[in-house]
Amino acid sequence: KAGVTQTPRYLIKTRGQQVTLSCSPISGHRSVSWYQQTPGQGLQFLFEYFSETQRNKGNFPGRFSGRQFSNSRSEMNVSTLELGDSALYLCASSFTTAVNYGYTFGSGTRLTVV
Amino acid sequence: DAKTTQPTSMDCAEGRAANLPCNHSTISGNEYVYWYRQIHSQGPQYIIHGLKNNETNEMASLIITEDRKSSTLILPHATLRDTAVYYCIVRVPAGANSKLTFGKGITLSVRP
Repeated sequence: KAGVTQTPRYLIKTRGQQVTLSCSPISGHRSVSWYQQTPGQGLQFLFEYFSETQRNKGNFPGRFSGRQFSNSRSEMNVSTLELGDSALYLCASSFTTAVNYGYTFGSGTRLTVV
Repeated sequence: DAKTTQPTSMDCAEGRAANLPCNHSTISGNEYVYWYRQIHSQGPQYIIHGLKNNETNEMASLIITEDRKSSTLILPHATLRDTAVYYCIVRVPAGANSKLTFGKGITLSVRP
């Protein structure tokens, strides 16, 4: 079956712009999480959605937001981009948020802010 | 903050078992131990998880000590494709704190 699909794979934006990243989870998965990965900070949790509701949120400024649609697809938005937002953004999906289900990650969107 | 401690790196010979240790001395009774790995430029991949019993699947075995303060991931016959960063994570079953919190992980290098 198809895995987690993230689009676009690569993106270059200018400081001050905003960006929207998309994630299509595995069919039937209702939980979608987002992570930021940078060389300095590693993998950091952004937020998690389940059935269109935000369940968890990490320690990121309000410029980072997300949403989930009724078909479980999710988008995250970063407004007023800063150079430090350059990172690999990873999406992960799971059937539920319960412990017995592992998360499947996509290949990520590489965002470069110039 | 990550609640696990792992060595920075280790290596092993191809075909031999790779034993990756993890310390989670502050683990609480309802927290599970998860292992993920990340091969360069890819998203993390789920390997295995457990609560207190040893677990085995097609990828690896997970050995959790009786006091649950540490665990070991065992790759029985390491191959070059197992070279990756391995993350040990503790996680509650569900709710507001059920997110995956990644530490720095351990870099496993499998040599020919």
